[in-house]
Amino acid sequence: NAGVTQTPKFRILKIGQSMTLQCTQDMNHNYMYWYRQDPGMGLKLIYYSVGAGITDKGEVPNGYNVSRSTTEDFPLRLELAAPSQTSVYFCASSNTEAFFGQGTRLTVV
Amino acid sequence: ILNVEQSPQSLHVQEGDSTNFTCSFPSSNFYALHWYRWETAKSPEALFVMTLNGDEKKKGRISATLNTKEGYSYLYIKGSQPEDSATYLCASANAGNNRKLIWGLGTSLAVNP
Repeated sequence: NAGVTQTPKFRILKIGQSMTLQCTQDMNHNYMYWYRQDPGMGLKLIYYSVGAGITDKGEVPNGYNVSRSTTEDFPLRLELAAPSQTSVYFCASSNTEAFFGQGTRLTVV
Repeated sequence: ILNVEQSPQSLHVQEGDSTNFTCSFPSSNFYALHWYRWETAKSPEALFVMTLNGDEKKKGRISATLNTKEGYSYLYIKGSQPEDSATYLCASANAGNNRKLIWGLGTSLAVNP
């Protein structure tokens, strides 16, 4: 049982580049989330989804996009990377308690 | 209280000490309270999910209580071990949107051998 698989683990982007963070879960969870975690700050919700075809903005959605075409997958897209998007990103899924991916450390230079 | 607040921010204890932390959350429209354990260089892992006032849950040496009327939860660790060193996060959900967790900043615990 793989749980929540998140890739890549590390990435360095140049300002203005784009990338997609991948997230897949094999637990048939309805709910999926993307968080970012900055030093000294708590987990901030970027986007979440309550089921395939449904997505909603969280606390800090600007500069990001998501899609949920299947129950399993919830990719996070950065279109024009900015230094303010340097952070650690976590994907999670849940039906009750949340299960987290291993995290992606993204640096935008 | 509008946000989830945790105290203390950090804690250093000796091996064998028992310790506890507090999580304060909005009591109005309460739905659930979650506790997670987050070790350095890993991902958060769920400890407990509690929903009922007066709930008490236990997992090994770790236990938690819940008071939904006054909006607080305590996490207890009995006989702390070095492997308990981690950040302990709590998060609350309200009935308006019970899938959006509001996270505290965590209590960082260091257990010295």
